[in-house]
Amino acid sequence: GDSVTQMEGPVTLSEEAFLTINCTYTATGYPSLFWYVQYPGEGLQLLLKATKADDKGSNKGFEATYRKETTSFHLEKGSVQVSDSAVYFCALRSDTGFQKLVFGTGTRLLVSP
Amino acid sequence: GAVVSQHPSWVICKSGTSVKIECRSLDFQATTMFWYRQFPKQSLMLMATSNEGSKATYEQGVEKDKFLINHASLTLSTLTVTSAHPEDSSFYICSAPPGGVVGGYTFGSGTRLTVV
Repeated sequence: GDSVTQMEGPVTLSEEAFLTINCTYTATGYPSLFWYVQYPGEGLQLLLKATKADDKGSNKGFEATYRKETTSFHLEKGSVQVSDSAVYFCALRSDTGFQKLVFGTGTRLLVSP
Repeated sequence: GAVVSQHPSWVICKSGTSVKIECRSLDFQATTMFWYRQFPKQSLMLMATSNEGSKATYEQGVEKDKFLINHASLTLSTLTVTSAHPEDSSFYICSAPPGGVVGGYTFGSGTRLTVV
């Protein structure tokens, strides 16, 4: 079945450091890919998405490119802030069947001043 | 944008009692609601999919009689944890699927359930 694999955390960075959170997926067909963010005490929020190969999703300085050849959707940000501290989830939605999301295990990011 | 309001945000209950969690779609109609469970340091696991006016679809391994899901209207879906036990303690989140091609899934803020 479909699955998403994320790098384990926590990822600890200093403010203004470069961030990469790796995400790879296994799916049949052409899934849509998402990054969700969960701030402490809050629900999930959509950060960015890409619906087809080579698409780049971007939002709030974060970017991720849909790489079908490597089945990856790595999240990057050039300069993190303390306010970026949260848990980040990579997810996919298959292009077949119903619309449920399949999530990775989440990666906690801790940014220190 | 679309908002899903989830209540309560946290609840503590005694073993053997039942707890109801509500998710309401505000300003839009949700014919479908996904219910997830999140264990500490783990991902969200889909428990079931509720559909307005019909029976919920449960994922493999999820006890239908323990986790009762009702989707009685286009704006309300509920999850009732019956005869709760400490192992049911978890974070429960509901989500409505996108309403259009560019829409995104809308998540409730989650419910932290602690069974003592």
